[in-house]
Amino acid sequence: EDQVTQSPEALRLQEGESSSLNCSYTVSGLRGLFWYRQDPGKGPEFLFTLYSAGEEKEKERLKATLTKKESFLHITAPKPEDSATYLCAVRDYGNNRLAFGKGNQVVVIP
Amino acid sequence: DVKVTQSSRYLVKRTGEKVFLECVQDMDHENMFWYRQDPGLGLRLIYFSYDVKMKEKGDIPEGYSVSREKKERFSLILESASTNQTSMYLCASSLPSRVPSYEQYFGPGTRLTVT
Repeated sequence: EDQVTQSPEALRLQEGESSSLNCSYTVSGLRGLFWYRQDPGKGPEFLFTLYSAGEEKEKERLKATLTKKESFLHITAPKPEDSATYLCAVRDYGNNRLAFGKGNQVVVIP
Repeated sequence: DVKVTQSSRYLVKRTGEKVFLECVQDMDHENMFWYRQDPGLGLRLIYFSYDVKMKEKGDIPEGYSVSREKKERFSLILESASTNQTSMYLCASSLPSRVPSYEQYFGPGTRLTVT
C-alpha cells in the first residue's frame, strides 16, 4: 500500500528564513510526485509534478526536488504570503489514485 | 486555466436529510474525484469516476453515492446525512490515467455541517 509521510507537521519561520519540507514515500513504482499548496478553508492548488529522481522544479521562492525515496520542497527567503499547508501526493504504476500525505503547515512571521 | 467549481461553499443540513453536492469542471477532463478532508486525517478518497456513468469506490464510500451523467459534472450524494459526515468536501478533476500529466485540479471545497 502506498505511504506518504510529511515532516515536519508544522513549521514557524521568520520572514527570510529559508527552510525545507520533507515528503517520504513508499511505492512499488513512482509514476509522479505532486506538490500542492492549500490555504485555510480553500481547495488545494497545484504547484509541481516530479517524475524521476534528480528532477527539480521551481516557482518563485519554491523549489521541489526528488530522490528515489523522498522529495523536498525548499522555501527560499519566505514571505508571510507563503504561509499555507503544503501537501505531497504520489501516484503508483497501475493506480488511478493519488496517495496524499497529511501536509506541512507553514507559518511565516513578519 | 482549469476551473473546477462546487455548488456551495457552506452548507448546513439536518441529520437524516438527503444531501447533494455538485461539481463542474470546464477542462473536458475524463477523471473526477470526491474527497473529504478532516483535521488529522488528511484527504481521503470517497469515489472517483473515469468516464460518464462509470465510477469506482475510494477508501471511504460508506454512506455516499455518486452520479456522473455528463462528462463535466460529478455529484456526491449523502443518502441520509449523519453528524459524522460533517467535513470539508473537495472535488477534483484530471486527465485520464494513460496521460503522464496526471495532476488533479481541485475545486474550492464545500464545508458541510450536519446537525
